[in-house]
Amino acid sequence: AQSVTQLGSHVSVSEGALVLLRCNYSSSVPPYLFWYVQYPNQGLQLLLKYTTGATLVKGINGFEAEFKKSETSFHLTKPSAHMSDAAEYFCAVRGGNTGFQKLVFGTGTRLLVSP
Amino acid sequence: DAGVIQSPRHEVTEMGQEVTLRCKPISGHDYLFWYRQTMMRGLELLIYFNNNVPIDDSGMPEDRFSAKMPNASFSTLKIQPSEPRDSAVYFCASSQISGNTIYFGEGSWLTVV
Repeated sequence: AQSVTQLGSHVSVSEGALVLLRCNYSSSVPPYLFWYVQYPNQGLQLLLKYTTGATLVKGINGFEAEFKKSETSFHLTKPSAHMSDAAEYFCAVRGGNTGFQKLVFGTGTRLLVSP
Repeated sequence: DAGVIQSPRHEVTEMGQEVTLRCKPISGHDYLFWYRQTMMRGLELLIYFNNNVPIDDSGMPEDRFSAKMPNASFSTLKIQPSEPRDSAVYFCASSQISGNTIYFGEGSWLTVV
């Protein structure tokens, strides 16, 4: 079965530091890849996505992610963390082995930003 | 454009009561999804519809749960009878048949006491 692994349930950074949230997927067929963000008591908001084409994709709020097929990874980065980035981040895949329609989520990574 | 609209946003109910969650997908979207989020199980797909027809309900936990989509602009998720372990956030989401992004509503926070 297709799966998504997010390494680290919690990541702590200082304001201004690099943010790196890791995501690996398992699929013999490259799927579509997504990062969603969830702020406290809110819904899921799309940060960015990879479907085809350029492997480095840019999203909202200064985030970007790079699709690396050889490593089956789609890590999320931001050069400089801001206090407002504190939230839970979910990596998700759609397509690949599960078929086109299902969106399968990782377990999430909570980003903590300290002053 | 209006996003996916869910109601109620918050509901507290007593064990054994019927709960109905409602969803209005984005206009023109052909797929509708119901997800549940809990601390223990994370985000899990319960059921999804294509053109109002249920395609995969393998994630529905048990017979107490049912979902319907009577038309392209409305869906319900019903729990009868509700139990404390059903306490969770229930998300509705939709996407276009030709699109690849699934858009989520703000969620319905359900507490069963």
